[in-house]
Amino acid sequence: EVHLVESGGGLVQPGGSLRLSCAASGFTFGNYEMNWVRQAPGKGLEWVSSIGSGGTPIHYAASVQGRFTISRDNAKNSLYLQMNSLRAEDTAVYYCARIHADYVSGFQYWGQGTLVTVSS
Amino acid sequence: DIQMTQSPSTLSASVGDRVTITCRASQSISTWLAWYQQRPGKAPKLLISKASSLESGVPSRFSGSGSGTEFTLTISSLQPDDFATYFCQYFNSYAPPFGQGTKLEIK
Repeated sequence: EVHLVESGGGLVQPGGSLRLSCAASGFTFGNYEMNWVRQAPGKGLEWVSSIGSGGTPIHYAASVQGRFTISRDNAKNSLYLQMNSLRAEDTAVYYCARIHADYVSGFQYWGQGTLVTVSS
Repeated sequence: DIQMTQSPSTLSASVGDRVTITCRASQSISTWLAWYQQRPGKAPKLLISKASSLESGVPSRFSGSGSGTEFTLTISSLQPDDFATYFCQYFNSYAPPFGQGTKLEIK
């Protein structure tokens, strides 16, 4: 059974940094593109970043470009999101998500999410 | 960039009703559309991919249709578990956008 478990969220001051992790199990992690999606309180879903199965290609939403860095360690079955220069508008639940087994049908598996709160 | 727009934003309905949610793309996306259901406090769940392909385990009362710029998600007979928020997503882009969501409420 596929499991994705995020960790690393918490309260951080504006301008601060945080590193999120996503531990994957139940599938061959190194075969799949992975993504981060966030959801601000009471709002919709916003795609944040993606990383190819081998570490490239990497893409970012314009709202986080230059501040966030996605990475993965296939040996550790783990996905990461380094978030720097955090702003109040980055406050959200952050989900990691795996693409569909056919690679072209959406995000088939999601973690439970980790809450990031940016506030002074 | 392609934008996805859902309507309505909120929909009130009763158990047993047939409901339809619409998703429009700002330009043609063929059938590269996914639908998700999200219950409060939970992660989204993929319901339908490629506009009309029902995911394994999803009840047959859910169906999707459309191509190009206009798509619909239909629930043929609402059940209590179906009251949730639904999102569409264009999925053939390096930055796959979501619609803003449709909250399905109990009337």
